[in-house]
Amino acid sequence: EDQVTQSPEALRLQEGESSSLNCSYTVSGLRGLFWYRQDPGKGPEFLFTLYSAGEEKEKERLKATLTKKESFLHITAPKPEDSATYLCAVQASFNKFYFGSGTKLNVKP
Amino acid sequence: GAVVSQHPSRVICKSGTSVKIECRSLDFQATTMFWYRQFPKQSLMLMATSNEGSKATYEQGVEKDKFLINHASLTLSTLTVTSAHPEDSSFYICSAREASGGGRDTQYFGPGTRLTVL
Repeated sequence: EDQVTQSPEALRLQEGESSSLNCSYTVSGLRGLFWYRQDPGKGPEFLFTLYSAGEEKEKERLKATLTKKESFLHITAPKPEDSATYLCAVQASFNKFYFGSGTKLNVKP
Repeated sequence: GAVVSQHPSRVICKSGTSVKIECRSLDFQATTMFWYRQFPKQSLMLMATSNEGSKATYEQGVEKDKFLINHASLTLSTLTVTSAHPEDSSFYICSAREASGGGRDTQYFGPGTRLTVL
């Protein structure tokens, strides 16, 4: 069964305290893995797409990596404005996208 | 690039009325758009997949006669909640697929529509 699991559910960090969010998946035939950021009351904002194991992408304080079983979103020296819910999704076929339940990140000043 | 708009952003209606929500891809053509529903503190729940020029595909448990979807052009899909009731109150989000070739597609999301049915 195709499945996406994100951990932890919630994460509280002090400003500057680096950490990682995890997205583990079981899909037959991964076509892409996506990371989004969602702020309360808004639609998800696209961050990264990863297509194959070993691939990495970076944007400011965020870095996404991919293996054959999981993806990590590394947050380096986070700031309070990085507080949001981070969603992971995988594309298993042309019209099949599976979303994780998200990790709610709270960065305290 | 890859901007998706939704209108309205917020709507309050009386029970029994119908509400139409528009989803537009502003700078790309989208043969496929998706409609999601999100309850407070929960993740996205896919309601239906909308393909330009054909009937939408609904997920199990979603009433197609209640949630009418029309994808009339490559940049516009609409969701009509018919005879809305308080239990239909939710945050509705659309997304549009940007096809980048070789099966490498990305979904871009709209800002969402908050529906409140009194």
